[in-house]
Amino acid sequence: KAGVTQTPRYLIKTRGQQVTLSCSPISGHRSVSWYQQTPGQGLQFLFEYFSETQRNKGNFPGRFSGRQFSNSRSEMNVSTLELGDSALYLCASSLGGGFGNTIYFGEGSWLTVV
Amino acid sequence: QQQVKQSPQSLIVQKGGISIINCAYENTAFDYFPWYQQFPGKGPALLIAIRPDVSEKKEGRFTISFNKSAKQFSLHIMDSQPGDSATYFCAARGGATNKLIFGTGTLLAVQP
Repeated sequence: KAGVTQTPRYLIKTRGQQVTLSCSPISGHRSVSWYQQTPGQGLQFLFEYFSETQRNKGNFPGRFSGRQFSNSRSEMNVSTLELGDSALYLCASSLGGGFGNTIYFGEGSWLTVV
Repeated sequence: QQQVKQSPQSLIVQKGGISIINCAYENTAFDYFPWYQQFPGKGPALLIAIRPDVSEKKEGRFTISFNKSAKQFSLHIMDSQPGDSATYFCAARGGATNKLIFGTGTLLAVQP
């Protein structure tokens, strides 16, 4: 069974640009969450999607957005990139509605903003 | 109330020794406590997880001890091996959501 797949794995963007990251969850999983990992702030929750609806959102500015498609695949977008957005962006998938469901992470997308 | 406090920040253990990492939480609504292992350049991989109705869970060399009254839980790695050298994160989740609150991580180095 394939794991959580994230693309691209590495990318470099310039300040002010926007970026779109993609995530394919484990087959059958309907919940997709996104996290940002930096050395200074650690692992921080961005948002969660379940059945194409955003179910939860972390404390990030509106430049960070996401969506989920009917096949459960998800994308997140960061507009007007800032140097501080350089991070590892992790996607996680789970069967569904919380309690008891195991959460699996992908390998992440490394974003460098120059 | 949403924080999960993890200690120590780093840990050096000799091969064959026991590695112990501790976490504490405040939010009593948390009902799922996983531990993740992360190697450089990789995503976090689930090691073991526990629910608050269980005081201990063991999987191979990894054991979670859970103290609900103290709102603390810990990871014990028995017979630590150099291949266990990685960063370990505790986390907590509550209710009908998959939002994980992570600890700050522990960098474990197992010396041969």
